[in-house]
Amino acid sequence: EVQLVESGGGLVQPGGSLRLSCAASGFTFSSYSMNWVRQAPGKGLEWIAYMSSTGNSIFYADSVKGRFTISRDSATNSLYLQMNSLRAEDAALYYCARGLTGSGWDAVAFDIWGQGTMVTVS
Amino acid sequence: QSALTQPASVSGSLGQSITISCTGTSSDLGGYDFVSWYQQHPGKAPKLMIYDVTNRPSGVSDRFSGSKSGNTASLTISGLQAEDEADYFCSSYTSSSTYVFGAGTKVTVL
Repeated sequence: EVQLVESGGGLVQPGGSLRLSCAASGFTFSSYSMNWVRQAPGKGLEWIAYMSSTGNSIFYADSVKGRFTISRDSATNSLYLQMNSLRAEDAALYYCARGLTGSGWDAVAFDIWGQGTMVTVS
Repeated sequence: QSALTQPASVSGSLGQSITISCTGTSSDLGGYDFVSWYQQHPGKAPKLMIYDVTNRPSGVSDRFSGSKSGNTASLTISGLQAEDEADYFCSSYTSSSTYVFGAGTKVTVL
């Protein structure tokens, strides 16, 4: 079964740090781009970071650039999100999502999602 | 990057068809065909329903269809069923190599 399982969320003070993990299984992790998407309580979805299958291309949303770092480890089929200088507005459910390879791009959409891990900043 | 514009809510009766619009700019939705739609039931993760404007992933009902004209994309749900009641989000790739979502549309089945 294709699956993504996030972990590492919790309560952190403003200005603090947290590292999220996403364990992938059921597919060849090294062949897919990966993303982090978050959703504040009762709000919509916000894409925050992308990493290509090789790790050579990385993009961030302006809202987290310079504070968050996406990384991956193909040896352990894991995706990470290091979050520093956390703010109240970073509080959300954080999803990892697999990029769907399509016409000319390796993330035309997000086809597999985890169940999310909650981050509270207070 | 501003969010794509979606109606807050759309409703329809069982068996009817409804259409959800999603409006962006030439820097995102209007400039790329990497437009996708997601269904989210309360407390659940989003589910991909449409990608590349019109394509359905395997397993998604053919009652769901997508289209795009200019800076506006649309998701149509035909033969509305009770299980279609959910939030729906559109998304697009952007010229900044980022992605933007709409604020979401709550679909109510009457």
